[in-house]
Amino acid sequence: DAGVIQSPRHEVTEMGQEVTLRCKPISGHDYLFWYRQTMMRGLELLIYFNNNVPIDDSGMPEDRFSAKMPNASFSTLKIQPSEPRDSAVYFCASSSAPTGHYEQYFGPGTRLTVT
Amino acid sequence: AQRVTQPEKLLSVFKGAPVELKCNYSYSGSPELFWYVQYSRQRLQLLLRHISRESIKGFTADLNKGETSFHLKKPFAQEEDSAMYYCALGGGSNYKLTFGKGTLLTVNP
Repeated sequence: DAGVIQSPRHEVTEMGQEVTLRCKPISGHDYLFWYRQTMMRGLELLIYFNNNVPIDDSGMPEDRFSAKMPNASFSTLKIQPSEPRDSAVYFCASSSAPTGHYEQYFGPGTRLTVT
Repeated sequence: AQRVTQPEKLLSVFKGAPVELKCNYSYSGSPELFWYVQYSRQRLQLLLRHISRESIKGFTADLNKGETSFHLKKPFAQEEDSAMYYCALGGGSNYKLTFGKGTLLTVNP
């Protein structure tokens, strides 16, 4: 397995534009997590899914952020409109409930810069 | 509520010196503790899980329930150990991991 895959790896966009980040979890994993990492706030959990259903989105900063998981192998995190303070590294992670669900496997991250 | 505290944001040691990265947690149930490592501009990787009681890259960590701690230790630090280290706590039915703020370890030559 190639592990968790994220795209794009880098994204530079202008304020006000829509940004879509993509994630493919490890095959067979039933939990998917989206995190945001910044120097100031560290690693923050934004939202997580179980069997494609959002379980907890309390970490989503505001309505400009939305996430979907249309099937077991794909999830998106969308920011519309983007703002400079959204600049961060966004990580996707997945885990498997039957085999140690707390252990999460992370993707390489998407480094987002909003100018 | 679950909480993880890593009191040191930065830790600097010399090569060959012992290193200890501190982690304290708050959780009323039975915890699962992990250490993740993130090398420069790379993904977070699982380093240790307390239930395995293993040593990875010379690192060990012992869960002390009395002190609610899970400190990461290595007797002789190497330059390649320089990275960001995150302590993480899992427990209960919500299947989330609660991460500490991280400690940036720098091992100087």
